[in-house]
Amino acid sequence: GIQVEQSPPDLILQEGANSTLRCNFSDSVNNLQWFHQNPWGQLINLFYIPSGTKQNGRLSATTVATERYSLLYISSSQTTDSGVYFCAALPFGNEKLTFGTGTRLTIIP
Amino acid sequence: EADIYQTPRYLVIGTGKKITLECSQTMGHDKMYWYQQDPGMELHLIHYSYGVNSTEKGDLSSESTVSRIRTEHFPLTLESARPSHTSQYLCASSLAGDNEQFFGPGTRLTVL
Repeated sequence: GIQVEQSPPDLILQEGANSTLRCNFSDSVNNLQWFHQNPWGQLINLFYIPSGTKQNGRLSATTVATERYSLLYISSSQTTDSGVYFCAALPFGNEKLTFGTGTRLTIIP
Repeated sequence: EADIYQTPRYLVIGTGKKITLECSQTMGHDKMYWYQQDPGMELHLIHYSYGVNSTEKGDLSSESTVSRIRTEHFPLTLESARPSHTSQYLCASSLAGDNEQFFGPGTRLTVL
């Protein structure tokens, strides 16, 4: 099956800093999603981005499908950005999302 | 954005008890999913359904069972809970023909 790898596994930043999270996947994908899991365990949809670039406020994401990676950018980090960020990929011809192991982001005031 | 509800949010129960975790969505999504997640780890698919009376096992073996009698409802049942079932259970749904999945708030289960 498809392999989904995220880096870095942990990231600690000062409030106001920018960050880039990476997601590599081993096969062509029909779907690529980014989620933020908050301290209460809820998964919040950030982006549905099988290819191209999207922006939502301080967050943006780019997926380069031909090179099998996606990047999540967070600018001007706030403490509320802390949590675990997951990417998940859905290969063509498959109905099951495969999740990466996540990046744990900690923003220090 | 989909509205997906899970109850209870937290459950602490003794070994051997039968439990049902509820999941409902109000967006008319055809596809529904159950994932299991241990603290700090990735999510693993344990069950999914493409519609009423359709259920399939996911990639991670689970002793739980599911049913899909109504489009909006996808409960998960454990006949006899054990400490190894302690985990977070997340329900998700998506539209047929659309691959974007939306998640409920999760149920955190602790079996003593």
